[in-house]
Amino acid sequence: GQQVMQIPQYQHVQEGEDFTTYCNSSTTLSNIQWYKQRPGGHPVFLIQLVKSGEVKKQKRLTFQFGEAKKNSSLHITATQTTDVGTYFCAGRAGGNNRLAFGKGNQVVVIP
Amino acid sequence: NAGVTQTPKFRVLKTGQSMTLLCAQDMNHEYMYWYRQDPGMGLRLIHYSVGEGTTAKGEVPDGYNVSRLKKQNFLLGLESAAPSQTSVYFCASSLSPGANQETQYFGPGTRLLVL
Repeated sequence: GQQVMQIPQYQHVQEGEDFTTYCNSSTTLSNIQWYKQRPGGHPVFLIQLVKSGEVKKQKRLTFQFGEAKKNSSLHITATQTTDVGTYFCAGRAGGNNRLAFGKGNQVVVIP
Repeated sequence: NAGVTQTPKFRVLKTGQSMTLLCAQDMNHEYMYWYRQDPGMGLRLIHYSVGEGTTAKGEVPDGYNVSRLKKQNFLLGLESAAPSQTSVYFCASSLSPGANQETQYFGPGTRLLVL
């Protein structure tokens, strides 16, 4: 079945530094979504990418969808303590009825 | 709008007991989902529904049943709870699988402990 892999699974990031988290699929995706889950909270939608090579920015967050629509990345600059949490990507293969979530990237921010 | 709500927030069960988790959404969404989240496993889809009166199996359906008698409600049942079902359960809903309408809105979760 469709699988979405995220790397790394865990990251420790110094406050003020940048980091990137990656999402890879074995199949071509019709779209990719990113969610953030704060500790003790529930996943919250961040963004959706649909077009090949698409890049979207939200303040310090930059999201990218690969040209082949099989991978995606989330890059965060000048990390803040509020960035702590688990970041999930979720993708849908064309014709599939539901999203497949990755296992998430748990980010710990070191003050 | 309350969005997606889940009851109860927390529950302790003994092995073999049964219970029902209730999910309600007030956004008129067609699609509803039940996930479980365990450490290191991410979100795993248990069952989902594409509309009132319909249900379908997800990735890990064994030991669970669901019903969608009303569009706004999606119930998850455990007939005979097992310790392996100790988890955090999230309900979610979305408009449809269309490219610009499938943002999933999650409820706050139900923490279930099976002893």
